[in-house]
Amino acid sequence: AQSVTQLDSHVSVSEGTPVLLRCNYSSSYSPSLFWYVQHPNKGLQLLLKYTSAATLVKGINGFEAEFKKSETSFHLTKPSAHMSDAAEYFCVVSDRVTGGGNKLTFGTGTQLKVEL
Amino acid sequence: DSGVTQTPKHLITATGQRVTLRCSPRSGDLSVYWYQQSLDQGLQFLIQYYNGEERAKGNILERFSAQQFPDLHSELNLSSLELGDSALYFCASSPRREGGANVLTFGAGSRLTVL
Repeated sequence: AQSVTQLDSHVSVSEGTPVLLRCNYSSSYSPSLFWYVQHPNKGLQLLLKYTSAATLVKGINGFEAEFKKSETSFHLTKPSAHMSDAAEYFCVVSDRVTGGGNKLTFGTGTQLKVEL
Repeated sequence: DSGVTQTPKHLITATGQRVTLRCSPRSGDLSVYWYQQSLDQGLQFLIQYYNGEERAKGNILERFSAQQFPDLHSELNLSSLELGDSALYFCASSPRREGGANVLTFGAGSRLTVL
């Protein structure tokens, strides 16, 4: 079974400084990976996805992630944090299941705090 | 607005009771997924339906059941409720049955509180 590990449960940055949220995955084949964001009392919103095309994936709101097979990593970055980026971020791997279906496995989440 | 509609937004009930959560997928999406989010378990996949048929099953309890109707809306039924069932229940939809590029769009969730 595939899995993802988010290495930090909490990350705190100052506004205007870079953001790095770390994710490692475990997969027996080339995975599909996603980053979702959840703002307080809101649903989950897709930030970006990797599906075996370009290894550097650009998403919404200035976020990007790089797929590194040799390191089994899919870290999320942003050059300059904004107060509105404060939220919980989930790294996700997509499984196909027997009989035809899709199962997303979520990491445990990283809470991003942005300070003035 | 993601296009995925979940009702009710909030629900408070007592132990032993039964509730039904409803989800209308985004227009054109054939797959519906249910997820449970709780503080101790995180986000857990419950079940997926594709065009009315069950396609994938996760950590769904026997007390829980779901179905997808011909108009593609879905209902999640939770019975014999326990305190530990208190959680945020998300519905998501996607265009296809499977595939890495099959992106899920999530609703805003239904918050269930069992007292």
